[in-house]
Parts: sequence; structure tokens; C-alpha cells
Amino acid sequence: SQQGEEDPQALSIQEGENATMNCSYKTSINNLQWYRQNSGRGLVHLILIRSNEREKHSGRLRVTLDTSKKSSSLLITASRAADTASYFCATGGGNEKLTFGTGTRLTIIP
Amino acid sequence: ETGVTQTPRHLVMGMTNKKSLKCEQHLGHNAMYWYKQSAKKPLELMFVYSLEERVENNSVPSRFSPECPNSSHLFLHLHTLQPEDSALYLCASSQGNSYEQYFGPGTRLTVT
Repeated sequence: SQQGEEDPQALSIQEGENATMNCSYKTSINNLQWYRQNSGRGLVHLILIRSNEREKHSGRLRVTLDTSKKSSSLLITASRAADTASYFCATGGGNEKLTFGTGTRLTIIP
Repeated sequence: ETGVTQTPRHLVMGMTNKKSLKCEQHLGHNAMYWYKQSAKKPLELMFVYSLEERVENNSVPSRFSPECPNSSHLFLHLHTLQPEDSALYLCASSQGNSYEQYFGPGTRLTVT
């Protein structure tokens, strides 16, 4: 069954702007991960946030986690054309099945 | 992206063909996975191998048959597929209890 659900399904912004994507999930989690997928390629792990963390940064990425609302957000600051991709949240991993959402397709307009 | 490789990258096959997808990981991981990605659907986990033993078979039809001869190689044998099996097939690997998975570039399969 689908655990994560991203919002919006698609997002187009101008290069240099910030992009925010949201993920909601249904059951309690140990961690939440974000992955990026360029068109027709494999997924690349971006960042993992644990259930006891509220915010995490990695370069231009900022992830927040609100376990009370069962939601997470991914912020990409100062977007670049190369950020054009689909972004997925995923819960589980390790001894649990890694369950992905349907993704947000991000397009950066040069 | 060279940590996990997949061949072929593209495959077109008829419903009566037999073909195999190959995955190889160069990361020293001990778990490998097959996923199916169809348009507008979440990634579907098909099979999990840990230490070369299958630990999960996610109700996948028997026309898909996995094989893991060693911890670095994973195959997906395909036989009498249906057009709805057309999808991107992704292989991934991970180490021990690590949450993060590393993906290959995928095989784009078209069943005619």
C-alpha cells in the first residue's frame, strides 16, 4: 500500500527560485528519505531525516519533518536547471520495506 | 551512478520471448532489490535478496523469476510477459541494516 504521497504532483518554477515539495504518510515511521530521479534513470538518495529530528540541511536542500502531522517537506533553494527531476519521499528501509510515494515532477525554467 | 549497473538499458520483447535483466553492484553491499516503476504509480517492490537468499516476494507473477548467484549479481528472468508488464525495472542495493538504497539506471522494458 502507498505510504508516502507527494504534493504537488508537478511544479514549474523559474531558475533561481525556491522549490518546496511536501510528503504525507500514514503510519508511524523511524525515518523518512527523499530521492531524486532524472527522467528514465535510477533514483538517487538525497537526504534522510530520523523521526526524532525536525529539520536537516544538505547543501541547497532543507528537509523538515512533523511527526504529529505525519508530513515532511523538501525545500530546494536557488534552483538550477539541473534540479529538473522527479522527487520522491520514502519511508522504511533497513529491515522494513522501503515504500515510495508517486513523486513530484519539478521543472526548472531557465 | 556507476555503483549499480543494469543491462540492457532498453529491451523490446514479444509475449512469447524469454529474456533476462542483469544487475551488478560494485559497492560491497549484501542486499539487492528489484523494483517495477510504471507511469503514474509508486515504485513497486518485487523481490528482495539478503545475503543471496530471497527474503521477500511481493506477490509477483511467476512469469518473473529472480536469481541471485552471489552478493554482487542479480538477475530477473522474464517469460511470457504481458503488455502491462511494460515498465522501467530498477535494481537497487543496500548494506546491512542501512536505510539508504542505491539504484541502478534501470531497464526500460516494452512488451509487444
